[in-house]
Amino acid sequence: NAGVTQTPKFQVLKTGQSMTLQCAQDMNHEYMSWYRQDPGMGLRLIHYSVGAGITDQGEVPNGYNVSRSTTEDFPLRLLSAAPSQTSVYFCASSYSEAGQPQHFGDGTRLSIL
Amino acid sequence: EDQVTQSPEALRLQEGESSSLNCSYTVSGLRGLFWYRQDPGKGPEFLFTLYSAGEEKEKERLKATLTKKESFLHITAPKPEDSATYLCAVYGGATNKLIFGTGTLLAVQP
Repeated sequence: NAGVTQTPKFQVLKTGQSMTLQCAQDMNHEYMSWYRQDPGMGLRLIHYSVGAGITDQGEVPNGYNVSRSTTEDFPLRLLSAAPSQTSVYFCASSYSEAGQPQHFGDGTRLSIL
Repeated sequence: EDQVTQSPEALRLQEGESSSLNCSYTVSGLRGLFWYRQDPGKGPEFLFTLYSAGEEKEKERLKATLTKKESFLHITAPKPEDSATYLCAVYGGATNKLIFGTGTLLAVQP
């Protein structure tokens, strides 16, 4: 039982490049979400999904895109990377909603040069 | 505006020295308060959920309590392995989103 798996663990990009951060969970959770964690700030919600085919914006969605074609996978796409997107990104899942204990992956550490 | 504030930002304890971490919140219609532990290079790990004022939860050396304005995470006789960042999050308010505090970095020295 792997829980929430994020890949890659580390990535360095140049400004303007695009990439996809992968997130997969094997717990059959309906709710999945993406957060970014920056020094001195709490985890901030980027996008979330309450089930396959349904996504919505969080607190800081600009510059990011998501899709949810299956229950298991919730990839996060950076459309045109900017230095302000340098951060640690966490994917999380729970049974059905945000108000339940979240299971987090171990993060992707992303640097934009 | 819904807000979560954790204090202190950092805390250094000697092994066996008990203390408390604070999480104060301003959320209309609190539907749940969560405590997580985060080790360096890892994602947050769920510890407790509290739903109503007066509720308490315990796990090993940790005890979480909740009032109408704040929550405390009490650490009794801590060990070095309790060293981590402890995050508080609240659920509810106008947007029904999960709002995280910035965390307390706890270091327990042997």
